[in-house]
Amino acid sequence: AQSVTQLGSHVSVSEGALVLLRCNYSSSVPPYLFWYVQYPNQGLQLLLKYTSAATLVKGINGFEAEFKKSETSFHLTKPSAHMSDAAEYFCAVSALSGTYKYIFGTGTRLKVLA
Amino acid sequence: NAGVTQTPKFRILKIGQSMTLQCTQDMNHNYMYWYRQDPGMGLKLIYYSVGAGITDKGEVPNGYNVSRSTTEDFPLRLELAAPSQTSVYFCASSYSQQGNQPQHFGDGTRLSIL
Repeated sequence: AQSVTQLGSHVSVSEGALVLLRCNYSSSVPPYLFWYVQYPNQGLQLLLKYTSAATLVKGINGFEAEFKKSETSFHLTKPSAHMSDAAEYFCAVSALSGTYKYIFGTGTRLKVLA
Repeated sequence: NAGVTQTPKFRILKIGQSMTLQCTQDMNHNYMYWYRQDPGMGLKLIYYSVGAGITDKGEVPNGYNVSRSTTEDFPLRLELAAPSQTSVYFCASSYSQQGNQPQHFGDGTRLSIL
């Protein structure tokens, strides 16, 4: 069975600072990994996904994530935070277990300080 | 591009009342999902469907029912509303259940049971 853990339910950064949101996964088979963003009163939108083609994945809005198998991690980063990045971010893992099971993390709320 | 559309956006119910949350998608996706989102808990899968006429339980199906008579529509029914069902409900769809396929979300229905 797979699982995903997001460390830190709330993260605050200053505008212009590095954004680092942590995601660790557990899976007995090669996983697919996703980051989604949720703005207030909206649904989840796909930021990026890892599907084994490349370990460094670039997404929308300047975000990227690196798949590290040895660390079972898929952390999300952005070099310079913008006020518009304030949102909740969800990591998700999908792996074959009979059928594909899609598991979401509990989310990290990012606050950007002026 | 409508994508996944959910109605209503907000609703207040009294304990014991029933209601149907509507979800429709125009992407011709076979796979559709209902999630509930509670603060700090991430998304929990209620029911999913792999095509018209086929539905299955997710992680937290108790108190809910679904039907899938067409590819486009996947309504979620609450028969006897309880305070524990106060939550934000999201409908999602995907092209296939292959693990590398992202899910597309509606904007949610915010439901309060009083």
